[in-house]
Amino acid sequence: DIQMTQSPSSVSASVGDRVTITCRASQGISSWLAWYQQKPGKAPKLLIYTTSTLQSGVPSRFSGSGSATDFTLTISSLEPEDFATYYCQQANSLPTFGQGTRLEIK
Amino acid sequence: QVHLVQSGAEVKKPGASVKVSCKASGYTFTNYYMHWVRQAPGQGLEWMGVINPSGDNTNYAPRFQGRLTMTRDTPTNKVYMELSSLRSEDTAVYFCAREAMGGGNFWKAYDMWGQGTMVTVSS
Repeated sequence: DIQMTQSPSSVSASVGDRVTITCRASQGISSWLAWYQQKPGKAPKLLIYTTSTLQSGVPSRFSGSGSATDFTLTISSLEPEDFATYYCQQANSLPTFGQGTRLEIK
Repeated sequence: QVHLVQSGAEVKKPGASVKVSCKASGYTFTNYYMHWVRQAPGQGLEWMGVINPSGDNTNYAPRFQGRLTMTRDTPTNKVYMELSSLRSEDTAVYFCAREAMGGGNFWKAYDMWGQGTMVTVSS
């Protein structure tokens, strides 16, 4: 299995802040990297796929970048509704997810 | 509008089996792969497997081989996930999730999700 390691595991930030979450793969995954947002009691929501393609309807303050083993999700200016848990997911081989990053209000 | 609606919560004893359904609507059922992902309480997401509703072929995560079965019923636009030999560690919310597609390409990400089905395994 390809292991996905996210950092940080949790982060506190304020509305308007810029936040970056990192995801590292245990081996190269080309561009097969997606990001999801999950709120308590809800299903995950797709934000970005193939590393940097914004899913339809997702605000442009979300962006993704990276290649091979190192990837980032950036939220350029936090809005109140962005406080949630974020997961990366690789699909270069059998899919695996990162352990999640909890984004909390400071 | 695209919807995935799952069956209701289940409580099972260790050793039993559970079968969860996922009904798709609002799109051509046979055009999109359907995946199953689970989430234990307070934990992260775990991919279980995928079914191609068009050809009924499947691919399962190795750790579930032998006790996981995914099937589909095209007249009702439903996919099913059956997990056998349940143990307490299988207590989780189980999600069906549609694989995103565009321009004839599959994007290996999940753009629509069911609401989740809580499965509790307890004696």
